[in-house]
Amino acid sequence: ETGVTQTPRHLVMGMTNKKSLKCEQHLGHNAMYWYKQSAKKPLELMFVYSLEERVENNSVPSRFSPECPNSSHLFLHLHTLQPEDSALYLCASSRNRGRDQPQHFGDGTRLSIL
Amino acid sequence: DQQVKQNSPSLSVQEGRISILNCDYTNSMFDYFLWYKKYPAEGPTFLISISSIKDKNEDGRFTVFLNKSAKHLSLHIVPSQPGDSAVYFCAAQASGTYKYIFGTGTRLKVLA
Repeated sequence: ETGVTQTPRHLVMGMTNKKSLKCEQHLGHNAMYWYKQSAKKPLELMFVYSLEERVENNSVPSRFSPECPNSSHLFLHLHTLQPEDSALYLCASSRNRGRDQPQHFGDGTRLSIL
Repeated sequence: DQQVKQNSPSLSVQEGRISILNCDYTNSMFDYFLWYKKYPAEGPTFLISISSIKDKNEDGRFTVFLNKSAKHLSLHIVPSQPGDSAVYFCAAQASGTYKYIFGTGTRLKVLA
């Protein structure tokens, strides 16, 4: 068990659809992250939450809207996405947002925009 | 401009031999480094880390070396096993920050 669970694993949606990605961590961590991984590019940090408060929004377009209702759950709400948003979206958590804290990743949601 | 570079997209090694994965960085403020392993259809898994106060950290078959003057780190796997076949990412964290900057990964294939 990875400790960080993401659903769905795969998602195909049209540009006008609205969908949500879900992440749940069972590790008792206080910080959670959304990353985007496009083909042949490094992981890009999108959002950071610490104790349910958003502390980082890495210049992400407003068509991506995160939500963190509690320290165990993180959502990424999607609407009117573009084809270039097709990518692997990874959720991660760490004990806290501090230094020297390895992040634990989920298995990701493979998103395809038609 | 990429601050963390893994210049070898792929590497093939015979089972039982040593695998050496390399990572170069440009930001002299980086002081904490990690290696992650990623299997297909799974998320990255933390493997090993090193702080800039050290030049070597060892965990079983995995050893990470840090050369601060060259801004270079490497991951040695010895002996390599077929189960080590995966994509390996290095990541770096700068002093005073909590963000990790990732490389693009190196795909390791260990041949039986």
